[in-house]
Amino acid sequence: GAVVSQHPSRVICKSGTSVKIECRSLDFQATTMFWYRQFPKQSLMLMATSNEGSKATYEQGVEKDKFLINHASLTLSTLTVTSAHPEDSSFYICSARRTGWISYEQYFGPGTRLTVT
Amino acid sequence: EDQVTQSPEALRLQEGESSSLNCSYTVSGLRGLFWYRQDPGKGPEFLFTLYSAGEEKEKERLKATLTKKESFLHITAPKPEDSATYLCAVQDRTGANNLFFGTGTRLTVIP
Repeated sequence: GAVVSQHPSRVICKSGTSVKIECRSLDFQATTMFWYRQFPKQSLMLMATSNEGSKATYEQGVEKDKFLINHASLTLSTLTVTSAHPEDSSFYICSARRTGWISYEQYFGPGTRLTVT
Repeated sequence: EDQVTQSPEALRLQEGESSSLNCSYTVSGLRGLFWYRQDPGKGPEFLFTLYSAGEEKEKERLKATLTKKESFLHITAPKPEDSATYLCAVQDRTGANNLFFGTGTRLTVIP
């Protein structure tokens, strides 16, 4: 149990275009999902917390108008990188917490490698 | 501010050579400490959660322990398939749900 999927796994886009990444909890409901960014040989940096049915909470320094997050259901959150630039190239990973569980584990998706040319 | 420091940064072991990875942390109040394994190009895979000092958890060749200031991940008789980056993360009691990650220990087990 506790499987999280992401789509696509890899995407290459041109500078100025927008890219949408989907994160799904496959076998559990997730009121809260998280979006992280990871640069090569660095650890995960939280970008935003996504709550089902409400606005996302962004970490300091993360542009909310550039990284649009929508959490429309208990199993799906999306991250849209708008007007992408080469510096947005990175590994984006989502995670999800089980709704209603006492424990606080987060289960991670396999990640999406974004390359902006 | 929460801080997590992992050491060593990289570790090379011969197959069968046991060792320990360290995670030192500073939080205002610990809600939980988490260990994850991450393979290159993949998302982190959950291993353990520890909630209070003195707690221990085991899974196959891995054993995680927790004190008030640090956690250890002990690897007994490692195999090459244990090669990965091991990440430690903490969650505090301030109300935020997010995990704060260390930079990881990159483990290589040589056959």
